Amino acid sequence: SQELEQSPQSLIVQEGKNLTINCTSSKTLYGLYWYKQKYGEGLIFLMMLQKGGEEKSHEKITAKLDEKKQQSSLHITASQPSHAGIYLCGADPSGSARQLTFGSGTQLTVLP
Amino acid sequence: EAGVAQSPRYKIIEKRQSVAFWCNPISGHATLYWYQQILGQGPKLLIQFQNNGVVDDSQLPKDRFSAERLKGVDSTLKIQPAKLEDSAVYLCASSSPRLFTDTQYFGPGTRLTVL
Repeated sequence: SQELEQSPQSLIVQEGKNLTINCTSSKTLYGLYWYKQKYGEGLIFLMMLQKGGEEKSHEKITAKLDEKKQQSSLHITASQPSHAGIYLCGADPSGSARQLTFGSGTQLTVLP
Repeated sequence: EAGVAQSPRYKIIEKRQSVAFWCNPISGHATLYWYQQILGQGPKLLIQFQNNGVVDDSQLPKDRFSAERLKGVDSTLKIQPAKLEDSAVYLCASSSPRLFTDTQYFGPGTRLTVL
């Protein structure tokens, strides 16, 4: 079965700082999804990456999928308190684009 | 467009009691998922429906959990009887299957506390 490891598990940064969250898979990634979750709430879809080397951006958040398709990174530029939350990566383990296996999440705190 | 709706948002019960959760997916989404998220962990798939049929329930503890999706729209997830380890957030998600763009959209979740 596919396993996703996220690092770091938690991150505390000062407002305005840049940060990176990593997601490493035990198997080839056919589709990698990034979600954000506020404590105790549902997941908000951020981005989906599929092709090796692919990079997508939304506002100040950029996600990349490496060429070998076993690792993805999420980069936040000039962090704001609104970026605080839990970031989860999810991957399709079978390539059928039907089910997701999730990492355990990275808890981000942004200090004003 | 309305998102995935879930109710109740919070539920507190004692062990051995029964509980049911309701989910209404995004209109037109044929695929519906139920996930269990224990504190500090990522969501774990319990069951996946395609219209009103079960696609995968391999991780559903069938001795106590059941789920149905009558008419292929709304879905209910039931736990009977509940155990302490069932305390978690239960998330419902839906998607509209299209090749390689099968993004799942999540509801706000139901936080269950079993005492």
